[in-house]
Amino acid sequence: DSGVTQTPKHLITATGQRVTLRCSPRSGDLSVYWYQQSLDQGLQFLIQYYNGEERAKGNILERFSAQQFPDLHSELNLSSLELGDSALYFCASSVVGQPNTEAFFGQGTRLTVV
Amino acid sequence: AQSVTQLGSHVSVSEGALVLLRCNYSSSVPPYLFWYVQYPNQGLQLLLKYTSAATLVKGINGFEAEFKKSETSFHLTKPSAHMSDAAEYFCAVSDSGTSYGKLTFGQGTILTVHP
Repeated sequence: DSGVTQTPKHLITATGQRVTLRCSPRSGDLSVYWYQQSLDQGLQFLIQYYNGEERAKGNILERFSAQQFPDLHSELNLSSLELGDSALYFCASSVVGQPNTEAFFGQGTRLTVV
Repeated sequence: AQSVTQLGSHVSVSEGALVLLRCNYSSSVPPYLFWYVQYPNQGLQLLLKYTSAATLVKGINGFEAEFKKSETSFHLTKPSAHMSDAAEYFCAVSDSGTSYGKLTFGQGTILTVHP
């Protein structure tokens, strides 16, 4: 158990809908990352937050948004869903979010868009 | 931009044989390099990391990796494979020139271990 909790574990929704994925980081970790894992794109970095502020952005679509709340949990919002958004979405956390520090990954949320 | 290339999407070994998973990186600054393992229906777990200290890095479960700047490589090895090593392995790089911790991953190598 990494200490990072993601909910829900599985999500099935229709095209055009909006969903929210939730992540609770390890106790004491200030930085949260979101990654998308799909068969065609592999593991892709989406976005990083540190202590409530956006720190880095990757290949995140405009239909996707995220935030980190004062209690440090994070949510990833995916809207106007398309079939191609079906993927495994991982949240990871680290103490300070520096490049040489270990990130701990949650078990992921598997999103299926039908 | 940084990148990693994992040579071989599938590697198959016999139990007790040497495991060698290959990773080459590209980076304009000294890289930080990581190996993660993903078991079925699980998240990623860190095996080991290189952050510019010793070039030979020892990790968990008997794995180790050697950073070779001249070859831009960070191959993962284990002297004797165990059935429980069957999983997908990812090499990743982060940018030491920034304050971000984002990882750029390779495409992954699925390791199969035969009895």
